Amino acid sequence: DIQMTQSPSSLSASVGDRVTITCRASQSISIYLNWYQQKPGKAPNLLIYAASSLQSGVPSRFSGSGSGTDFTLTISSLQPEDFAAYYCQQSYSTPRTFGQGTKVEIK
Amino acid sequence: QVQLVQSGAEVMKPGASVKVSCKASGYTFTDCYIHWVRQAPGQGLEWMGRINPNSGGTNYAQKFQGRVTMTRDTSINTAYMELSRLRSDDTVVYYCAREEGSSGYFDFWGQGTLVTVSS
Repeated sequence: DIQMTQSPSSLSASVGDRVTITCRASQSISIYLNWYQQKPGKAPNLLIYAASSLQSGVPSRFSGSGSGTDFTLTISSLQPEDFAAYYCQQSYSTPRTFGQGTKVEIK
Repeated sequence: QVQLVQSGAEVMKPGASVKVSCKASGYTFTDCYIHWVRQAPGQGLEWMGRINPNSGGTNYAQKFQGRVTMTRDTSINTAYMELSRLRSDDTVVYYCAREEGSSGYFDFWGQGTLVTVSS
């Protein structure tokens, strides 16, 4: 199985900050890496697919980069509605594995 | 518009089985895999398996092999996930999600179904 390791597991930031979350795969997954946002009590919501493609309707302050084993999700200017948990997921092979999540909290 | 609507919350006894449904609408049901993902309170996302609604073929996570069965009924555009021999640590929210074909991401999710296992 491909292991996905996210860091940090949590972070505190202020509105307007630039935030970066990283995700590392235990083997190369090309660009088969997706990012989801989850708010309390809600289902996850797709933000970025294929490492860097922005899902329709997602604000442009979200961006993704990387290939192979190392990936990054960046929020260019954190907004109040962005305080949530973020998960990476590989879709290179089954089992589809998720990172352990990053909780973005208000500083 | 694409929607996945799941069945309601369940309370089950240890050792029992639970069957959660996921009704799809707004697209051709047989065109996209349905995955099942679960989440314990305050914890991360755990992939359980997937079903190909066209063929009925399944792939399960090793952890759930022998305890999970995923099926579908194409006449009513519904996928099912049945988990047997329930334990207290199966008290989690279960989600179904649609896999987009080319890159494998999950573009639509059900609202989640809370299953509580308690004696």
